[in-house]
Amino acid sequence: EIVLTQSPATLSLSLGERATLSCRASQSVNNYLAWYQQKPGQAPRLVIYDASNRAAGIPARFSGSGSGTDFTLTISSLEPEDFAVYYCQQRRNWPPGFTFGPGTKVDIK
Amino acid sequence: QVQLVQSGAEVKKPGSSVKVSCKASGGTFSNYAINWVRQAPGQGLEWMGGTIPTVGTANYAQKFQGRVTVTADESTGTAYMELSSLRSEDTAVYYCSRVGEQYYFDFWGQGTLVTVSS
Repeated sequence: EIVLTQSPATLSLSLGERATLSCRASQSVNNYLAWYQQKPGQAPRLVIYDASNRAAGIPARFSGSGSGTDFTLTISSLEPEDFAVYYCQQRRNWPPGFTFGPGTKVDIK
Repeated sequence: QVQLVQSGAEVKKPGSSVKVSCKASGGTFSNYAINWVRQAPGQGLEWMGGTIPTVGTANYAQKFQGRVTVTADESTGTAYMELSSLRSEDTAVYYCSRVGEQYYFDFWGQGTLVTVSS
C-alpha cells in the first residue's frame, strides 16, 4: 500500500504570502498525484492533477511540481479564499485504489 | 455540467447497515467511475471503493473489504454505497465522486452524514 505523508500539518501565513506544501509518497507514484482543496462544510475540489496540471477554473497562483516520491503545491500569493485544508492523493495503483494524504491546513496568521 | 446529488442524512444503530445513493446528471453516466470517500468528524479523506458502471466491476479499499458494496444502476444514473455492520467509528460524511478523464475526482456530491449511535 502506498502511504502519503504531508507537511507541515498546519501552515499559518498572511494574505499575500507564498505557501509551500509538501507531499511525500512511500514509493514512487510517477506523476500520478493530485491536490485537493477543502473548505469547512464543503466537498473537496480538485486543484492540481498529474502533479503539475491545474484543474479547470483554478487560478494561476496555484502550481504543482514533483515526481516520483516528492511533490510540492505552491500558492504564490495567498488570497482570502485560499485558506483551507489541502490533501494530496495518488492514483498510481488505481485500479485497485486511491490514497489520500492526511492534509495540510493553511490558516490565517 | 456534471452534478452528483446524494441522499439525505441517516441515523443508524450499531450493527445495522446503511445505503447511500448518488444520482448523476449531465455527462454520460456509463462512461465514468463513481467512487466513495468518507470523512470522519475533524478527520481527513478516506477512499472506500468505487465502480465502473459499464464494466460492472468494483474496487474496494482493503480496510472495508467485506463490509462495503458499491453498485450502479445505469438505467437511472444512480450509484449506491452500502456499508454493513456499522459501528460508532463509521460516523462520517460520505461523499460520492466521479473519476474524470484525468483519472482523478473531478466532481463531488454534497456529502451525506451518517451517524451511528445507540
